[in-house]
Amino acid sequence: NAGVMQNPRHLVRRRGQEARLRCSPMKGHSHVYWYRQLPEEGLKFMVYLQKENIIDESGMPKERFSAEFPKEGPSILRIQQVVRGDSAAYFCASSPQGAYRTDTQYFGPGTRLTVL
Amino acid sequence: KNEVEQSPQNLTAQEGEFITINCSYSVGISALHWLQQHPGGGIVSLFMLSSGKKKHGRLIATINIQEKHSSLHITASHPRDSAVYICAVSLNDMRFGAGTRLTVKP
Repeated sequence: NAGVMQNPRHLVRRRGQEARLRCSPMKGHSHVYWYRQLPEEGLKFMVYLQKENIIDESGMPKERFSAEFPKEGPSILRIQQVVRGDSAAYFCASSPQGAYRTDTQYFGPGTRLTVL
Repeated sequence: KNEVEQSPQNLTAQEGEFITINCSYSVGISALHWLQQHPGGGIVSLFMLSSGKKKHGRLIATINIQEKHSSLHITASHPRDSAVYICAVSLNDMRFGAGTRLTVKP
């Protein structure tokens, strides 16, 4: 059973470009979470999704950021018009069906975004 | 003040030592998580607990709900235990501590 997959592992973008980060949850997991880790800072929750639904996006910046988890395919975190402050490691985690609050989450290896 | 506080921030130990990392939180929670972030950046979930104590190999995690405090213990520490250990609490979302950077010297 493959773990949580994220790609790309490293992504370089110039200011103003779009960044698309992909996350494939573990087989059988229908809950996906995105977290951001800024340089020298702790992890911060961004968004929680189930298939075709955004459950909680309270941690998402109001502009330029969006996330989806379609019925088929990976979850996508999309950042439009990237700025240097978006440079960070973005981690995805998944959990099996069940209450978000009490599920163990399995983390992907992360995508390191660098904005030039 | 952060909702999740960890101590110490940095910890250096000699191989074989018993290690304790502490976590205090100020919000109501459903569960507390201990995570390990390797030097390469990958994150592994070590424990999720809502009461009592859990043990896995040389790792032990305890939680006191009344005192809003948890500890992670590592017995017979080894250089491969060197990593950042992160405490997180969950209710409607996950709130993370800043992490404790552990270095175990041979």
